[in-house]
Order: sequence, then C-alpha cells, then structure tokens
Amino acid sequence: KNEVEQSPQNLTAQEGEFITINCSYSVGISALHWLQQHPGGGIVSLFMLSSGKKKHGRLIATINIQEKHSSLHITASHPRDSAVYICAASSNSGNTPLVFGKGTRLSVIA
Amino acid sequence: GAVVSQHPSRVICKSGTSVKIECRSLDFQATTMFWYRQFPKKSLMLMATSNEGSKATYEQGVEKDKFLINHASLTLSTLTVTSAHPEDSSFYICSVRGGGAQHFGDGTRLSIL
Repeated sequence: KNEVEQSPQNLTAQEGEFITINCSYSVGISALHWLQQHPGGGIVSLFMLSSGKKKHGRLIATINIQEKHSSLHITASHPRDSAVYICAASSNSGNTPLVFGKGTRLSVIA
Repeated sequence: GAVVSQHPSRVICKSGTSVKIECRSLDFQATTMFWYRQFPKKSLMLMATSNEGSKATYEQGVEKDKFLINHASLTLSTLTVTSAHPEDSSFYICSVRGGGAQHFGDGTRLSIL
C-alpha cells in the first residue's frame, strides 16, 4: 500500500467547474506538498503546508493533520489547468526524499 | 527564475552510448539532491539520493554501476546513464530542497534508439 494515496486518478471537468483532489497519507510528515506536472514533464511546486489552509490565485490547499488528509481545490477551472497534480509528503529532514502519490490527471474541457 | 537547472532537456542517442545529465542548484547550496525517473503516465520513482562529497544512496533495484552519480560540489550533481539501452528511455528529473520548499529541474527526456 502506497504511503500517500490520491483520488481520483483521472478527472475530467468542464471549464468553470470547481475541482477537488484528495490526498491521504499514512506516514508521519512535516509537510505536505502539492505539485503540478504539465505534459512537457516539468514540475512546479504549488503549495507546501503543514497545517491549515493556503491560497494562491484560484488554487486552495487544505490539510487536516489529525485525519492525515489534504485537499487541493481549483476554483473556476480553465483548460490551462489541465495537468497532473501530485501530492507528496516530506519529513523534517532535508536529506530524505518526498514520498509521492500516484498523481491525478486533470483535463479541463472548454 | 529557475532554482534548479537541469541539462540537457532532451537526448536522443544510439544504444550503447553513455549519457550525462547535469543538475545545478542555482539558489541554494545543496548537500543532497534527489534523482527520479518517470515512465509515461506513471508516477515519479526515486532512483537515488546524491550526497555531496560522498557516495550516493541508491534505491533497491537501481544499478549503481549503470546509473553513476557524482555530487562533487554543493551546486552540481550529475547522473550518467552508462551504456544506455532502449529500456533506459525515460524521463529523468532532479530535485533539491531549499528555502523551505522542494524545487525540481525541468527534466531530461532520454530516448535510446
């Protein structure tokens, strides 16, 4: 069983829809990361959070430490949001790698 | 601007060739860098942890003689795929943790003919 589980694996939405991607983790973490990977392969870090909620533009990330659960929300989705969104967990040490979820492939249709 | 610079972005070469991929940390001194491999539509898989001035730590199943890692300075780690074969064709990406965040290179798409 993967230590970081994401759902759904694939998601198709109409432009303008509100989107939620969920992430559950079983490991003890210092932070939870949300990453975005575009078709070209490059990965962008969207959020790193250890508690509460963060917002950047149309993106919102929340985390519940007690329930070991995080969500990424996209408001007013747009075709350019189409990408793979990856949840990853990190420990306190900078020398340990991230533990990745399998990603959610999002397609937003105009 | 980019925090991590990875080169080359794409390599196409013949079977048997050795290919070197560079990963530079531009904004941070990185005692540790991570190398990942990703097959099409699959998740990132950690290959090895590169440690400045010492041997890399390889994940189970990753051949250290096949994938040579050198981390000679605090800003540069290299991954060399030796005697590459078609099954080594993949997307390779490096990562550095710095400034409280995780930063990724743009990746190298390796195609072995």
